[in-house]
Amino acid sequence: DTEVTQTPKHLVMGMTNKKSLKCEQHMGHRAMYWYKQKAKKPPELMFVYSYEKLSINESVPSRFSPECPNSSLLNLHLHALQPEDSALYLCASSQFQGGSYNEQFFGPGTRLTVL
Amino acid sequence: SQQGEEDPQALSIQEGENATMNCSYKTSINNLQWYRQNSGRGLVHLILIRSNEREKHSGRLRVTLDTSKKSSSLLITASRAADTASYFCATQRAAGNKLTFGGGTRVLVKP
Repeated sequence: DTEVTQTPKHLVMGMTNKKSLKCEQHMGHRAMYWYKQKAKKPPELMFVYSYEKLSINESVPSRFSPECPNSSLLNLHLHALQPEDSALYLCASSQFQGGSYNEQFFGPGTRLTVL
Repeated sequence: SQQGEEDPQALSIQEGENATMNCSYKTSINNLQWYRQNSGRGLVHLILIRSNEREKHSGRLRVTLDTSKKSSSLLITASRAADTASYFCATQRAAGNKLTFGGGTRVLVKP
């Protein structure tokens, strides 16, 4: 299995809702990532987990809460979002090899709309 | 913040022509990677070139890296309509696993 899966594909939520995005990989990768991507812009890194521990938080607002329950799963919990948080949320994973993490494998993304 | 800047921002070519896009970056790197993204979908890794490499090929793709100029180029030869996508360069510094993406080049290949 060489893919990263993300659910749901689309999500519409109100500003008072609580929802979660899910990401899964079975490639044995020990680093997992959340990115946010606005239209016609590059992906912006949000969080990195290495060996199930949060290693990078790019000053993301607390209304985004990541969780890594095990080495295959990554969640992003959403609460009290703003309309400007509407974007494509991408999950990725990579393997530690040769002293560094190399190419990242991306999921298809969750298209989030906040009303 | 973006490490890389890409040029051009958009490119329109006829099928069969070559497409070249450039990426410049600001700090020293461990490696530079190129990714493709079809509209509204996930990114696909194309090629990785390490800081001690100057050129790499993969099928119809050719990547060069000039660390003295802090720049890289991606050449797609004999383009096809299926090559229509956005192409991003991304740099990885010596330590850590963080990738920083450039602004991207949107390529349109007309049949």
